[in-house]
Amino acid sequence: DAKTTQPPSMDCAEGRAANLPCNHSTISGNEYVYWYRQIHSQGPQYIIHGLKNNETNEMASLIITEDRKSSTLILPHATLRDTAVYYCIVRVNQRNSGYALNFGKGTSLLVTP
Amino acid sequence: DTEVTQTPKHLVMGMTNKKSLKCEQHMGHRAMYWYKQKAKKPPELMFVYSYEKLSINESVPSRFSPECPNSSLLNLHLHALQPEDSALYLCASSQDRLGGGSPLHFGNGTRLTVT
Repeated sequence: DAKTTQPPSMDCAEGRAANLPCNHSTISGNEYVYWYRQIHSQGPQYIIHGLKNNETNEMASLIITEDRKSSTLILPHATLRDTAVYYCIVRVNQRNSGYALNFGKGTSLLVTP
Repeated sequence: DTEVTQTPKHLVMGMTNKKSLKCEQHMGHRAMYWYKQKAKKPPELMFVYSYEKLSINESVPSRFSPECPNSSLLNLHLHALQPEDSALYLCASSQDRLGGGSPLHFGNGTRLTVT
């Protein structure tokens, strides 16, 4: 799986958009980009994933550059409850071997009042 | 609340004890996972089961013994652990299919303390 690089920490004011970047310059054509977050003392929570196209769901938007070497997770209106560690992970699908995720260090997002 | 249930939530055990961690999901997922997470570190993969068969063992010491009795259940048997094995143990599940991606769904973990 391709390695990812994320800033170790970011701040965001409540109500503003939080834009979390991720570099994955060695990504292969069959690798998906996944975003998870982990709020203190809880298990990681799936946010969104994509392959080539931009994606949006009720939680966030995922913008993937055309060359797929980087992506941005957008939380459109951050709240205090969005304070968490955000993990960007790239993963290839491997049939009959599960789809294990290898977590990097992530970005610690602090949403302030 | 999550769709992956882990019990117990907290466990304290001595180095000579034998205990088991349990994980259950009813989403019809056929892949299940154990992760270990030390404080302020990212989760680390331990084991992967696919269709009730062990498919990945990330060189985990034999004092950790996984078991998948059926497609809904995953156990982690613990024996002769060391204090450095104290951590949050996370279980996850996913569909096991090609194409379209297959997100993992995590439980909230068992916080294990080895004394």
